Amino acid sequence: QSVLTQPPSVSGAPGQRITISCTGSSSNFGANYDAHWYQQLPGAAPKLLIYNNNKRPSNVPDRFSASKSGTSASLTITGLRPEDEADYYCQSYGSGLSAYWVFGGGTKLTVL
Amino acid sequence: EVQLVESGGGLVQPGGSLRLSCAASGFTFSDYDLHWVRQVSGKGLEWVSFIGTAGDTEYLASVKGRFTIFRENAENSLFLQMNSLRAEDTAMYYCARGYFSGIDHWGQGTLVTVS
Repeated sequence: QSVLTQPPSVSGAPGQRITISCTGSSSNFGANYDAHWYQQLPGAAPKLLIYNNNKRPSNVPDRFSASKSGTSASLTITGLRPEDEADYYCQSYGSGLSAYWVFGGGTKLTVL
Repeated sequence: EVQLVESGGGLVQPGGSLRLSCAASGFTFSDYDLHWVRQVSGKGLEWVSFIGTAGDTEYLASVKGRFTIFRENAENSLFLQMNSLRAEDTAMYYCARGYFSGIDHWGQGTLVTVS
């Protein structure tokens, strides 16, 4: 069971908007630690999508956005495309007891 | 172009050892924190270990005392010495470059199978 909780799956039709939640706690997001998001296409290594809660690397389209509030973070994808079908992971600091860093369990996005 | 290339994975018996290597290029290696992250086939990402620019280290509780992370800045290389391996250590191991408190570049991974 991950310290950061994500829904196992979400789906949407091309062109639609979807949101993936990431629920943390007072040990990570609530302690003002940042949220980061990664996309992992099938058979590939993960790729940085969002860093420091809401910042996009230059190679990431602006269809991808994210936010953090309190003990939760979320990733939003607008104008869904077939190539967005992938696994998405959130990440932050852990509580320090078992892990210095933690990832969410991952969310499988299916583009219908 | 930033590149991280892992090597050293393979099949090892329970209780055995492996040393993973990560060859870095395209950036000033000594300026960056580095991580090892693993992924069991079909499962999620799991952070394993961190080494800072000053050589400070952190470990996942289940590998502490068995795994050792170290870096050779002169060789632009990161390593993970894995001892007393268990079946549950079987995974793809990724070398990754730290960026703020996230990761901005990942290697392609090296597969470790303990059986």
